[in-house]
Amino acid sequence: EVQLVESGGGLVQPGRSLRLSCAASGFTFDDYAVHWVRQAPGRGLEWVSGISWNSDTIGYADSVKGRFTISRDNAKNSLYLQMNSLRAEDTALYYCAKSGVYGDPRGWFDPWGQGTLVTVSS
Amino acid sequence: DIVMTQSPDSLAASLGERATINCKSSQSVLYSSNNRNYLAWYQQKPGQPPKLLIYWASTRESGVPDRFSGSGSGTDFTLTISSLQAEDVAVYYCQQYYSSPFTFGPGTKVDIK
Repeated sequence: EVQLVESGGGLVQPGRSLRLSCAASGFTFDDYAVHWVRQAPGRGLEWVSGISWNSDTIGYADSVKGRFTISRDNAKNSLYLQMNSLRAEDTALYYCAKSGVYGDPRGWFDPWGQGTLVTVSS
Repeated sequence: DIVMTQSPDSLAASLGERATINCKSSQSVLYSSNNRNYLAWYQQKPGQPPKLLIYWASTRESGVPDRFSGSGSGTDFTLTISSLQAEDVAVYYCQQYYSSPFTFGPGTKVDIK
């Protein structure tokens, strides 16, 4: 069974940093791009960042560019999101999701993890 | 960036009725080299992560009931629930994966009348 499990969320003060992790299992991790998507409380879905299977192609939403860094460790079947200079508007449930297309970052997202909650507040 | 819009914002239909959700992209998501529309539909129930329903605009994901269907091409797309069931109460999102950033529509909330 393909599974993605996020961790690392929590309460953090504005301006501080947090690192999210996503542990993947049930598929050949280094064959697929993976993504972070967030959902603010009561709001819709916002793509945050994505990384290709070999880390050659990386993209960010404008809202996080320059503050967040995505990375992956294929040996550990893990995806990461380093979040710096956090703002109140970064408060959200952060999901990781696998690309549905082998070897291509341009794919639908399936499956999704359960998410990890990040709350930015003083 | 490609902007995705959806209509209506919400809808309520009776059990067994047809429900239709529209999605429009600000530019075409049809890739000419393979003639595929880079458009997906997701269902999100309260307290759950989104679940993939449709990809390539009209291909139903394995295990998704056949009352769900997707259609459209270029910039205009539709998700149809042919006979609404109680378990279909959810928010539905379209998403383009044609180009980064991979944007989502704002969502359409579906309820039972």
